[in-house]
Amino acid sequence: SYVLTQPPSVSVAPGQTARIPCGGDNIGNKNVHWYQQKSGQAPLLVVYDDSDRPSGIPERFSGSNSGNTATLTISRVEAGDEADYYCQVWDFNTDHVVFGGGTELTVL
Amino acid sequence: EVSLVESGGGLIQPGGSLRLSCVASGFTSTNYWMHWVRQAPGEGLVWVSRIQNDGYTTGYADSVRGRFTISRDSARNTLHLQMSGLRAEDTAVYYCARSYCSGGSCYHTFDTWGQGTPVTVSS
Repeated sequence: SYVLTQPPSVSVAPGQTARIPCGGDNIGNKNVHWYQQKSGQAPLLVVYDDSDRPSGIPERFSGSNSGNTATLTISRVEAGDEADYYCQVWDFNTDHVVFGGGTELTVL
Repeated sequence: EVSLVESGGGLIQPGGSLRLSCVASGFTSTNYWMHWVRQAPGEGLVWVSRIQNDGYTTGYADSVRGRFTISRDSARNTLHLQMSGLRAEDTAVYYCARSYCSGGSCYHTFDTWGQGTPVTVSS
C-alpha cells in the first residue's frame, strides 16, 4: 500500500517560514492535499491539488510537489497556525485515500 | 451555510454493532461523494469508506471491509455507517466529510467536515 511520511514535529518562530514535508514514492505524480487540525477541532482543507487554496485560506499557505516530496509552506507564521497538519493523496492502485501521519507545528 | 452533523457514537462492547449518521445541510449530499474518516485517540486521520453520488458505488479501507457498510438516505439528506463486529481498534472519533466536486466530477479532496462522533469499543 502507498505510504506518506511526515516528520512528527516542526518548530518555527513567529514571523518565520514553516516548511512541512510529505514524502511518498513518486508523489510528484499525484495530487496532494493538506489539512490543518487544531486541538479538539475537525480538520480544515488548506491546500488542494498540490498548490491551490480554498476560499478563505490566507495566501500565507502554499504548497509544492515534485519528485518524492510534497511541501506545505506557511509564510509569516502566527501563533494561530499552531496545529497538526496532514497531507493526503488518493492511491489509484488500491482506490484508497491515504493520509500522512501528521506533523505538529509549534510556534515558539 | 454548508454543514455536516454526525451522531450515533457511544460506548459499545466488542463484537457489537452501531450505526452512525451524518446529516447534511446547505447542499444536496446525493450530488457529492461522501466519506467517513476516523481518528483514534492521539493518532492521525484514517480514511474508512466512501459512497459515490450514484448511491451504490462504494469503497472501504481494508481494516473495515466486510464489517462496515456505508449508505445514504436521500430523502433525509443523511449519510450512514453501519458498523458490526466492532473491535477495540475501532475506537475513534468518526468524521463524515464531503468530496470536492466541480464540473460534474468529484475528487478525493475533503472540502467539508463534520465535528465528529466518538465511538468507544470496550467491555
